[in-house]
Amino acid sequence: NAGVTQTPKFQVLKTGQSMTLQCAQDMNHNSMYWYRQDPGMGLRLIYYSASEGTTDKGEVPNGYNVSRLNKREFSLRLESAAPSQTSVYFCASSELAATYNEQFFGPGTRLTVL
Amino acid sequence: AQSVTQLDSQVPVFEEAPVELRCNYSSSVSVYLFWYVQYPNQGLQLLLKYLSGSTLVESINGFEAEFNKSQTSFHLRKPSVHISDTAEYFCAVSNFGNEKLTFGTGTRLTIIP
Repeated sequence: NAGVTQTPKFQVLKTGQSMTLQCAQDMNHNSMYWYRQDPGMGLRLIYYSASEGTTDKGEVPNGYNVSRLNKREFSLRLESAAPSQTSVYFCASSELAATYNEQFFGPGTRLTVL
Repeated sequence: AQSVTQLDSQVPVFEEAPVELRCNYSSSVSVYLFWYVQYPNQGLQLLLKYLSGSTLVESINGFEAEFNKSQTSFHLRKPSVHISDTAEYFCAVSNFGNEKLTFGTGTRLTIIP
């Protein structure tokens, strides 16, 4: 039982390049999330998916797209990376059917955009 | 809309001393409250949660937090810290039936030997 896994762990991009961050969970959770973490800003929600086939914008969606490929996988795509997207990205999942929303986090992807 | 305020961005504490990390929230409806911990170079892990019932909740590693509705606070405390408690701590809030969590900006706890 691996929980939430993310690939890659580290990535360096040049401005304008594109890439996709991968996330998978093996807990059969319905809901999945993408956050970015920046110093002094805490975690900010980029996009989330309440169930397979649905996605919604969070607090900071500009410059990103997401795909809920199936119940297990939720990817985050940067079409044209910018230095402002240098950050640590976390994927999380939860079971909304439970009485509360405990989210389980992956280990993160550290992205640097030059 | 809900929000979370963690006023202390960094808290240095001597080993075996007590610590309190402050968290205040704002919400127009009833909430669930959480403390997450992030050890260096890792993801976040749930430390403890308040859902309902007793306002004092405890974790397995000696932390406790008390829900105070009148002061809209959920401060985290530990009577005696250890080097292994070095981490960043995030307070978070969600509304009943809402799948989204709102996080505070985090408090970095540094233990001084």
